[in-house]
Amino acid sequence: GNSVTQMEGPVTLSEEAFLTINCTYTATGYPSLFWYVQYPGEGLQLLLKATKADDKGSNKGFEATYRKETTSFHLEKGSVQVSDSAVYFCALREIQGAQKLVFGQGTRLTINP
Amino acid sequence: AAGVIQSPRHLIKEKRETATLKCYPIPRHDTVYWYQQGPGQDPQFLISFYEKMQSDKGSIPDRFSAQQFSDYHSELNMSSLELGDSALYFCASSLSRRYEQYFGPGTRLTVT
Repeated sequence: GNSVTQMEGPVTLSEEAFLTINCTYTATGYPSLFWYVQYPGEGLQLLLKATKADDKGSNKGFEATYRKETTSFHLEKGSVQVSDSAVYFCALREIQGAQKLVFGQGTRLTINP
Repeated sequence: AAGVIQSPRHLIKEKRETATLKCYPIPRHDTVYWYQQGPGQDPQFLISFYEKMQSDKGSIPDRFSAQQFSDYHSELNMSSLELGDSALYFCASSLSRRYEQYFGPGTRLTVT
C-alpha cells in the first residue's frame, strides 16, 4: 500500500538556522504531495503542495520539491523563527478511489530564541 | 474566508456511551473526510463522502457510522465507546476529490 516516511523528531534548532525535514513516499502512480503543519492545540493547516514531478511548492519561506527519481518531498526553510515551532506532517493523496490522504508520522520542530 | 466547522470542540464521555460529532464543510465543497489522530500519532483515515454517498472506508470500527446530509454537513456517530477511542477527530472538506483537503479544528474526544 501507499506510505509516507518522515525523519524522526523531535528536531530542535536555534532561530535563523536552516531547516530540512526529510520525507519519502511509496505509492502507486504519481500522487500529489503535501506538507501540513499543526500548531499546539490546533488543527492541520495546509502549508504547501506539489502535484507533479519537479514541481516546487512554497509558502511562508518553506519550500519542497517533488522528486520522482528519489520519491522524496523534503521540506526546507532558510531561516527559521520561533513561531515555526509546530508538528509538521508530510502526506500524499492517493490517486484511486476517494483520494484520501496518507500521512507520515509527523516531526515535532522546536525553535529556540 | 469560511473554514470547516466542527462541533463540539471537546467532548467527554464514559465507556459504553455514544457520541455524535458534527462537521460543516466549506461552502460549495461536496466531499468530506474523517480522520482520527491518537496522542502523538499521525491522522488515520476513517471514512469519506462524495455528493452524500460514502466513497471510501478506512480503519473505522463497526461501532462507528457516519453520513453526509443534503446540506453536505456530516456526522460521525460512535457507540459503545472504549478508552482507546480517545483521540482528536478531524473533518476535512474539498471541492471534489481532486483538490486539496482543508481541515477543521478537530473534536477532542476523551473517554473515561
